[in-house]
Amino acid sequence: EIVLTQSPDTLSLSPGEGATLSCRASQSISSNYLAWYQQKPGQAPRLLIYGASSRATGIPDRFSGSGSGTDFTLTISRLEPEDFAVYHCQQYGRSPYTFGQGTKLEIK
Amino acid sequence: EVQLLESGGGLVQPGGSLRLSCAASGFTFSNYAMTWVRQAPGKGLEWVSSISTSGGDTYYADSVRGRFTISRDSSKNTLYLQMNSLRVDDTAVYYCAKHVGGGPWGQGTLVTVSS
Repeated sequence: EIVLTQSPDTLSLSPGEGATLSCRASQSISSNYLAWYQQKPGQAPRLLIYGASSRATGIPDRFSGSGSGTDFTLTISRLEPEDFAVYHCQQYGRSPYTFGQGTKLEIK
Repeated sequence: EVQLLESGGGLVQPGGSLRLSCAASGFTFSNYAMTWVRQAPGKGLEWVSSISTSGGDTYYADSVRGRFTISRDSSKNTLYLQMNSLRVDDTAVYYCAKHVGGGPWGQGTLVTVSS
């Protein structure tokens, strides 16, 4: 099983700042099958990034994904108030298709 | 517009069974693998099961293998999750999602396993 470790657990920033979230895998993820999701309280997760770096439909370009192998990053430039949420990464290269534990992005 | 609507959740005693459904619309259901993911109260996301486009290939988390069965009916554009031998730690919101590692997701249905 591929274990995903997200860091930090909590990130405190102000609107307008940039955010960098990390997702590290215990084994290389095939074909960069790594997705990022945003989840707000009481809502279902929303797909942001798939294939490590492709933005999903309707996702603003301030969200970007990068990385390969075992190290992946979600970058949010110029944080907007609506970006404060929990972010999850998931690998879907090999079953079981595991998730990271999540990073909470909170307003400083 | 893609829509996924889960149903079938509720309160069940340990050892009991439930069948969840996910009605899909707005896309060609038979062309996409589908997935169930759950989230226990206050916890992170846990992948539960996925099924291929034909239904011929199914995948399960170790925590549910042998107790849960994923299936699909393309004539009804519906995804199912049959859950047997339910345990207290199966309590969660269950989401269905289009694709594996994709979206969108439905709004979820709450399953509570308690005596």
